[in-house]
Amino acid sequence: QSALTQPASVSGSPGQSITISCTGTSSDVGGYNYVSWYQQHPGKAPKLMIYDVSKRPSGVSNRFSGSKSGNTASLTISGLQAEDEADYYCSSYTTSSTLVFGGGTKLTVL
Amino acid sequence: EVKLLESGGGLVLPGGSLRLSCAASGFTFSSYAMGWVRQAPGKGLEWVSGMSGINDITNYADSVKGRFTISRDNSKNTLYLQMNSLRAEDTALYFCAKDHRWVGGTATFDYWGQGTLVTVSS
Repeated sequence: QSALTQPASVSGSPGQSITISCTGTSSDVGGYNYVSWYQQHPGKAPKLMIYDVSKRPSGVSNRFSGSKSGNTASLTISGLQAEDEADYYCSSYTTSSTLVFGGGTKLTVL
Repeated sequence: EVKLLESGGGLVLPGGSLRLSCAASGFTFSSYAMGWVRQAPGKGLEWVSGMSGINDITNYADSVKGRFTISRDNSKNTLYLQMNSLRAEDTALYFCAKDHRWVGGTATFDYWGQGTLVTVSS
């Protein structure tokens, strides 16, 4: 199972919006609405930010939103804040009943 | 409060074995699927294995299939990962994680432990 494709890095200024893409295939992203996004700060465990493509867990800011079109999912962060600077990973359930992650995207808040 | 505490990591020789444990609390352990995710130093996340809450259904990444075995003891609220025939490329921080709900495999990890480090080296 190949990793999902994410941009290595994205950046934005405080207050701006950014979008991170996550491209897979019809065997994972395109085949299920089980796409999740995780935020990981250095030295910390990942934190679930979005699940089932666009649902937010309790306690996650509504500045985070998710969507999907075909084989590509996206995470949008609006009103960027310094604390959003972190690594972001997408994941998707697959036809093999496994889970595949993206390679990760480093978000820099300028 | 959900808590997941991994243990059992350490330094092991190539070809050796190690068993990781994950003690869970703060939720009805047997009702939820659990999984292991690893992260090599400076690298991204890699799903390793998942297990249903009941019925003992297990799934593995191709990279560990036949070498690693996931199991759980619902009476002890503990998840395990038995790792055999370890290779240098298995060196990573191993996270235990709780699944949001079972869909035939693990799909969404809503809580994570802090990880236990496994180093495979001679």
